[in-house]
Amino acid sequence: QVHLQQWGAGLLKPSETLSLTCAVSGAGGSCSGCYWSWIRQPPGKGLEFIGEISPPGSVTYNPSLKSRVTISRDTSKNQLSLRVTSLTSADTAVYYCARNSVGSRPAFGMDAWGQGTAVTVSS
Amino acid sequence: QSALTQPRSVSGSPGQSVTISCTGTNSDVGTYDYVSWYQQHPGKAPKLIIYDVTERPSGVPDRFSGSKSGNTASLTIYGLQAEDEADYYCCSYAGAYTVYVFGAGTEVTLL
Repeated sequence: QVHLQQWGAGLLKPSETLSLTCAVSGAGGSCSGCYWSWIRQPPGKGLEFIGEISPPGSVTYNPSLKSRVTISRDTSKNQLSLRVTSLTSADTAVYYCARNSVGSRPAFGMDAWGQGTAVTVSS
Repeated sequence: QSALTQPRSVSGSPGQSVTISCTGTNSDVGTYDYVSWYQQHPGKAPKLIIYDVTERPSGVPDRFSGSKSGNTASLTIYGLQAEDEADYYCCSYAGAYTVYVFGAGTEVTLL
């Protein structure tokens, strides 16, 4: 079964940069055609798609965040990364990494999620 | 403001059925059969319960059923159980530029 483990700084100041990493492990971790996504959830609010990275490495971002977000991956380490620059209080949220898959097959659903990283932006 | 519209809350008695609607547009729900539903308990990560409008991942009880008509998708929970109390989010693929849009979530409570 695939396991996604996230880490990164949880308390940041306005204008700083958020950096999160998501490591993939487990017997079900291999999915050659799968996309990988980042999603966030502000306190008490709904889910927001941040962006995804394709198997060949091309990235698509939420148009509302595109200018400040970078998603990348290190296939040798089985890791996914997220950077968000010029933070404001509106970026305060729980951030999740997820795999776009069902079982170990590519899909338009996300059946594997990280545990979430709570990020607070405050001066 | 979320791209997909869901009711804020629905409630039902144990054993009853509840239906959650998810209304989008011709750019997402109305065009693509890639609607998914997620269950989220407090403090937990979302869990996929429906994908491709009607399909259930392995291990998800058949009490959960998805459907779609036009720009509106629906999730029905049959035989409501205590563990079904949670927030439910719909999500639709919306094309190569926007990719995914979510609803604001619906809280399901037992009476």
